[in-house]
Amino acid sequence: SQQGEEDPQALSIQEGENATMNCSYKTSINNLQWYRQNSGRGLVHLILIRSNEREKHSGRLRVTLDTSKKSSSLLITASRAADTASYFCATVFNQAGTALIFGKGTTLSVSS
Amino acid sequence: ETGVTQSPTHLIKTRGQQVTLRCSSQSGHNTVSWYQQALGQGPQFIFQYYREEENGRGNFPPRFSGLQFPNYSSELNVNALELDDSALYLCASSPGQFTDTQYFGPGTRLTVL
Repeated sequence: SQQGEEDPQALSIQEGENATMNCSYKTSINNLQWYRQNSGRGLVHLILIRSNEREKHSGRLRVTLDTSKKSSSLLITASRAADTASYFCATVFNQAGTALIFGKGTTLSVSS
Repeated sequence: ETGVTQSPTHLIKTRGQQVTLRCSSQSGHNTVSWYQQALGQGPQFIFQYYREEENGRGNFPPRFSGLQFPNYSSELNVNALELDDSALYLCASSPGQFTDTQYFGPGTRLTVL
């Protein structure tokens, strides 16, 4: 079963605009991660935020975490066509080392 | 440092057959996880290996099995293939049993006819 659920399922924007996608999860977590997937290929780790952090930045990415609401958001600023991809949030499945539980993802399309 | 590689890239099998997918972990990584990703869905955890021992398993039947070798390469074996096994199979490695970030390979696209 999915732990995280991303919202929206799909997002279409113009280059230069900001893109915000949200993730909700069900159980308590140690950290939450965001991954990107291009064209149904392998996933690339973007950023990890720990449960005691509220906000984290990496380049054009900003991630927030609200553990009271069990939710996170990923903001991509000044989007580029190359940001077109699917974005997934993931939490750790504690019964199996560091196995990740993913949501269904948000498909972002950035047009020039 | 080489990344995670998987073979083959694509594979077509018929229902009832058996398949073996292979993964070569990133150098120095002793933990490997396998995931199944159906079209339009997020990856689903199959199992994880740490130093050649199964370290945890998701909600997959026993016909999904795996091996990890001393050189940290690994295999995913699926017996008695079903149509619903058609998916992208991803392996991911990490440098430790409790290292959170995982490094994914490009995946193997399996089609079962």
